Amino acid sequence: AQSVTQPDIHITVSEGASLELRCNYSYGATPYLFWYVQSPGQGLQLLLKYFSGDTLVQGIKGFEAEFKRSQSSFNLRKPSVHWSDAAEYFCAVGLTSGTYKYIFGTGTRLKVLA
Amino acid sequence: EAGVAQSPRYKIIEKRQSVAFWCNPISGHATLYWYQQILGQGPKLLIQFQNNGVVDDSQLPKDRFSAERLKGVDSTLKIQPAKLEDSAVYLCASSLRGGRADTQYFGPGTRLTVL
Repeated sequence: AQSVTQPDIHITVSEGASLELRCNYSYGATPYLFWYVQSPGQGLQLLLKYFSGDTLVQGIKGFEAEFKRSQSSFNLRKPSVHWSDAAEYFCAVGLTSGTYKYIFGTGTRLKVLA
Repeated sequence: EAGVAQSPRYKIIEKRQSVAFWCNPISGHATLYWYQQILGQGPKLLIQFQNNGVVDDSQLPKDRFSAERLKGVDSTLKIQPAKLEDSAVYLCASSLRGGRADTQYFGPGTRLTVL
């Protein structure tokens, strides 16, 4: 069955430190992969997406993600975290099952220490 | 361009009462989605519309949930009667055509508390 796993429920980093959020997926075909961010009381905002081509994808707000087919992973990274990055991050896989739809992971809540 | 609008933002009801949520997607977007996001979980698709037709409602609890998208624009999601386990954030999203290359744009959500 198709699924998305985000192993880390909570992550705490200091401002200025680097960040990596993990995402693993299970899907038989070539996946379309997404990272969304959700700030408190807000909807989800797209950070970046991967469809094909270069496996290192650049997104907004200084985020990037790398698709590794051999590891079924799509980890999100940022070299230097800002306090405003504190939010919940969701990885999603887009799949075709009759129609086209997303399956989301359970999310990783990021806390940033000043 | 204006984003996806939802109302109300918050709703508190007693169990067995009914409630309705409204969504106005981005202008020109053919595909509209309703998601349920329970605390500590990722969003789960409830129903997907293509224009005013339903293309996926496989995870919609049809004994109590209903949704419509009249004229292929605005949409309403209704719960009747509500249960305690319906407490969640209900997110509406839209995309241009609903294809694999399309990005889904999300509204701010409606937080429902059932007492």
